[in-house]
Amino acid sequence: GENVEQHPSTLSVQEGDSAVIKCTYSDSASNYFPWYKQELGKRPQLIIDIRSNVGEKKDQRIAVTLNKTAKHFSLHITETQPEDSAVYFCAARISSNTGKLIFGQGTTLQVKP
Amino acid sequence: GAGVSQSPSNKVTEKGKDVELRCDPISGHTALYWYRQSLGQGLEFLIYFQGNSAPDKSGLPSDRFSAERTGGSVSTLTIQRTQQEDSAVYLCASSLRSDSYSGNTIYFGEGSWLTVV
Repeated sequence: GENVEQHPSTLSVQEGDSAVIKCTYSDSASNYFPWYKQELGKRPQLIIDIRSNVGEKKDQRIAVTLNKTAKHFSLHITETQPEDSAVYFCAARISSNTGKLIFGQGTTLQVKP
Repeated sequence: GAGVSQSPSNKVTEKGKDVELRCDPISGHTALYWYRQSLGQGLEFLIYFQGNSAPDKSGLPSDRFSAERTGGSVSTLTIQRTQQEDSAVYLCASSLRSDSYSGNTIYFGEGSWLTVV
């Protein structure tokens, strides 16, 4: 069935270090993979996304990589700052005509000053 | 409107009562989603509307849950005979369109916090 697995569930890093969050998906025809950041008590907001015809995308300190063969994609945050502390969700759009977006379980990132 | 609007923002209801949660998507957005987020948990897909197509209801957890979208805009999620396990944040989201070849961003509302006592 449709499934997105996300690891780790929690991640603690020192300010300035890098953080990596990994996701795998089950539907090999999935073609769109966004990442959302959710601060405490707030709505999830898109931070970066990647389509299946691209292997990597960067936006300042954030990058996402995609390995279609392995059905695996990752979020990389460099030079982490305390304001990066939040819950991060990966998602995959399944291939059926419904265009449904399935989310991972989330990763709580804590950046220690 | 400027963003996805949801109401009520908070709702406390007694077990067994029915509740209705409303979502007003961004103007012009044809795709509308409902997700459920339990405390400290992920985003559980509930239902998806795309234009005039039949909705994808595959995520609704039981027949106590239903949703409508009237006129291709406002949507209402109804939970009948609420149970304590229904307590969660119900998030609505919308996008310009959603199909297999598009990656249009989905924008979330602030959510409706439901507590069943």
